[in-house]
Amino acid sequence: DQQVKQNSPSLSVQEGRISILNCDYTNSMFDYFLWYKKYPAEGPTFLISISSIKDKNEDGRFTVFLNKSAKHLSLHIVPSQPGDSAVYFCAASAGTSYDKVIFGPGTSLSVIP
Amino acid sequence: GAVVSQHPSRVICKSGTSVKIECRSLDFQATTMFWYRQFPKQSLMLMATSNEGSKATYEQGVEKDKFLINHASLTLSTLTVTSAHPEDSSFYICSAPRREKLFFGSGTQLSVL
Repeated sequence: DQQVKQNSPSLSVQEGRISILNCDYTNSMFDYFLWYKKYPAEGPTFLISISSIKDKNEDGRFTVFLNKSAKHLSLHIVPSQPGDSAVYFCAASAGTSYDKVIFGPGTSLSVIP
Repeated sequence: GAVVSQHPSRVICKSGTSVKIECRSLDFQATTMFWYRQFPKQSLMLMATSNEGSKATYEQGVEKDKFLINHASLTLSTLTVTSAHPEDSSFYICSAPRREKLFFGSGTQLSVL
C-alpha cells in the first residue's frame, strides 16, 4: 500500500516553460514533505521541503505547494532548464524532516531544449 | 561536495557469497543512518535504521539475518548482504541526517549472478 503516490511516471516540458510535478499521500500523520532529485546511478539530492504548517515554500526556481485537506502537494519549476531533467521523488515523514522518510515512485522529467 | 560517502559503487558477486557495503558520513557525526534499496523504475524503500552503538531497527518484511547492519562508529555504518541470491540484486543507498536534512550516498549497484 503506497503511502506516497506520484501518478505520472514521466513528464516532458519545453525549456523555459513551467514543470509541475504532482504528489498525493494517504497518511495523515505526515507533517514533513520533501522533494529529491535523482540522476541515474546516483543517490538522491535534496531539493526543497515544506512542513505541514505551511502551504507554500519557494526557493529560487522551485516552489512547493501543499494542500493538506486534499493530501496533495506539487513542485513547480519555472523556468525549466535542460539540466532539470532527472527523476524527481516526492517524500514524506512524520515527526521530523529526516527520520523514516517514505518515498514516492518518482516522476521522470525531461526538459526539451 | 559529498557529505555521505558510499562504497563500493558497483559489485558483482556469485550466488551464496556475502557482500559488505560501507556508508561514511564526511566531516560530521551520524548517530543514525538509513539504508534504502531501489528496484528498477521503483521507489526507494526504507530497509532499516542504523543506530550507533545499538541494534538496527528493521522495517517490516526485511530479514535482519539476511541484511546485517553494523554501526560501530559515529561516521560509519555497514550493510552486509549475507548469502546473496539473484533476487537480492538491487540498488542500495544509505543516508544520514545532518542539520535536519537527509543526505544520501551515491548508492551501490549489487548484481548477484
